[in-house]
Amino acid sequence: AQSVTQLDSHVSVSEGTPVLLRCNYSSSYSPSLFWYVQHPNKGLQLLLKYTSAATLVKGINGFEAEFKKSETSFHLTKPSAHMSDAAEYFCVVRVRNSGYALNFGKGTSLLVTP
Amino acid sequence: SQTIHQWPATLVQPVGSPLSLECTVEGTSNPNLYWYRQAAGRGLQLLFYSVGIGQISSEVPQNLSASRPQDRQFILSSKKLLLSDSGFYLCALIPGQGNEQFFGPGTRLTVL
Repeated sequence: AQSVTQLDSHVSVSEGTPVLLRCNYSSSYSPSLFWYVQHPNKGLQLLLKYTSAATLVKGINGFEAEFKKSETSFHLTKPSAHMSDAAEYFCVVRVRNSGYALNFGKGTSLLVTP
Repeated sequence: SQTIHQWPATLVQPVGSPLSLECTVEGTSNPNLYWYRQAAGRGLQLLFYSVGIGQISSEVPQNLSASRPQDRQFILSSKKLLLSDSGFYLCALIPGQGNEQFFGPGTRLTVL
């Protein structure tokens, strides 16, 4: 079975400082991994995806994630946080045996302070 | 590009009442369709998925059901709502010619 674990339920950073949101995965196969963002009272937006191509994946809004097989990790980073980055972030793995549905982590709430 | 419509956007229902949430899609044919639920303070949980008309797979046993009467229509139903059915319900699709999943705007259900 494919699953992900987000290691922090809340992360707080100051504006202009780096962001690190941690995610570990478990998969019997080479996984397809995603990061989604959900702003308050809005739908889900895809930030980036890894599908066995380059291990360093660049996404929208300056975010990127690195797939590390040896560590079974797919951490999300951004060099400099903006106030608009405050949102809920979900690490996600695609599940082969459920019509390619997505298995979501429990989410990390990112707070950005001035 | 594909579009996902969900209605209603918000819904307040009493315990024991029936439920019908509708999801319709445009801009793609033969998509995979999904219903997810996001309970307060939790991640998204897959409820149902469908790979074609009349084909429904259930991931979590509960008092909800789903139907796909048309290629681009996916309906989530319940005969009697429970308090625990409160949450944010998201419809999603993978286009017939694609592998990325797209999400609708969601329906926020409150059961009182």
